[in-house]
Amino acid sequence: SQQGEEDPQALSIQEGENATMNCSYKTSINNLQWYRQNSGRGLVHLILIRSNEREKHSGRLRVTLDTSKKSSSLLITASRAADTASYFCATDARTNAGKSTFGDGTTLTVKP
Amino acid sequence: EAGVAQSPRYKIIEKRQSVAFWCNPISGHATLYWYQQILGQGPKLLIQFQNNGVVDDSQLPKDRFSAERLKGVDSTLKIQPAKLEDSAVYLCASSAYRGQGTEAFFGQGTRLTVV
Repeated sequence: SQQGEEDPQALSIQEGENATMNCSYKTSINNLQWYRQNSGRGLVHLILIRSNEREKHSGRLRVTLDTSKKSSSLLITASRAADTASYFCATDARTNAGKSTFGDGTTLTVKP
Repeated sequence: EAGVAQSPRYKIIEKRQSVAFWCNPISGHATLYWYQQILGQGPKLLIQFQNNGVVDDSQLPKDRFSAERLKGVDSTLKIQPAKLEDSAVYLCASSAYRGQGTEAFFGQGTRLTVV
């Protein structure tokens, strides 16, 4: 089974609104990464947060990590139509550094 | 810098036929990954190479799938014989090294349809 599970499976918002996606995982991790995948394309790395970090920012992206709850969230502020994509979290378990395990993703639709 | 190159982009084959995918990672990247992504799911790791050695192939169906990375650069993934359930996108990714906090760069994938 996948290590990370995203929630919700699908999210539809209006342009300008904020989008929040969540990721839960099962085992202890070294770090957690978020990726974006546009339809029919490969994945693009967005942000990495290490297990000793609680929050990280990159442009309009904000990621939080709560290791006690084994969960992470990705916030996209002031969304744009171009943000329409699937978003995946990937966890690097402590037991296998360098191997990322992906969840099944959240499909975000931003309506213009 | 050039990205991860994969070919072909699309492939349609009949079940029981064989197929091969090719990947050229980013120059200098020691680690190469092959993922299978079934529609509506996240990528599942099939095999991970460090240079030309296999690090992890625990989820590779070895009775029909094989992969090699000769000379630690390009890689090929082969399926023989293909089954209907092998229909998926096969993604190749590379990273500079294997270890904590390693960002992977993905190719655009090969969409395989088995009919």
